[in-house]
Amino acid sequence: KAGVTQTPRYLIKTRGQQVTLSCSPISGHRSVSWYQQTPGQGLQFLFEYFSETQRNKGNFPGRFSGRQFSNSRSEMNVSTLELGDSALYLCASSWDSRGTEAFFGQGTRLTVV
Amino acid sequence: GQQVMQIPQYQHVQEGEDFTTYCNSSTTLSNIQWYKQRPGGHPVFLIQLVKSGEVKKQKRLTFQFGEAKKNSSLHITATQTTDVGTYFCAGRPGGSNYKLTFGKGTLLTVNP
Repeated sequence: KAGVTQTPRYLIKTRGQQVTLSCSPISGHRSVSWYQQTPGQGLQFLFEYFSETQRNKGNFPGRFSGRQFSNSRSEMNVSTLELGDSALYLCASSWDSRGTEAFFGQGTRLTVV
Repeated sequence: GQQVMQIPQYQHVQEGEDFTTYCNSSTTLSNIQWYKQRPGGHPVFLIQLVKSGEVKKQKRLTFQFGEAKKNSSLHITATQTTDVGTYFCAGRPGGSNYKLTFGKGTLLTVNP
């Protein structure tokens, strides 16, 4: 079965712009979580969606937002990009979020210049 | 909020030596998971521990969950070059909070 697909894989944006990242979970998985990975901070939780509802949110500013569609695909949006937003953004899907393993996508490498 | 601390941050070993990484949570966990991320790759699930005092083995890897369900460890016996990567623990609190909090990971390098 197909894994978690994230698009695009690489992205270069200018400060002040906005960006939308996409994640297609494994078929049948209803939970999608987003993480920001940077060398110094490790994997930081952004938010988690389950059946189109945001169930958990991390400590990121309101410039970071997300949504989940009825087919469980998810998008995250970052507005007014800052240099510090440069990171690997990882999406993880699981069947539910109560204790099942998370399957990660390859990530989107965002560079803000 | 919940914090998950992981030590050491880096570990360099000679091939054949053992390796251990430790994980401590500020709160009691309902379960803890371990992931491995190879350089340039994405995290891949290794195992989940649920019960207090649980010990699980996968070939040369031994995972433990503490009695108080606040700490965990991963031990690799006789490391190989294929073990290189960053090992993350990730804990879930109990109740209705399903948020998975990751430790910052331990980067293991192995000298052949």
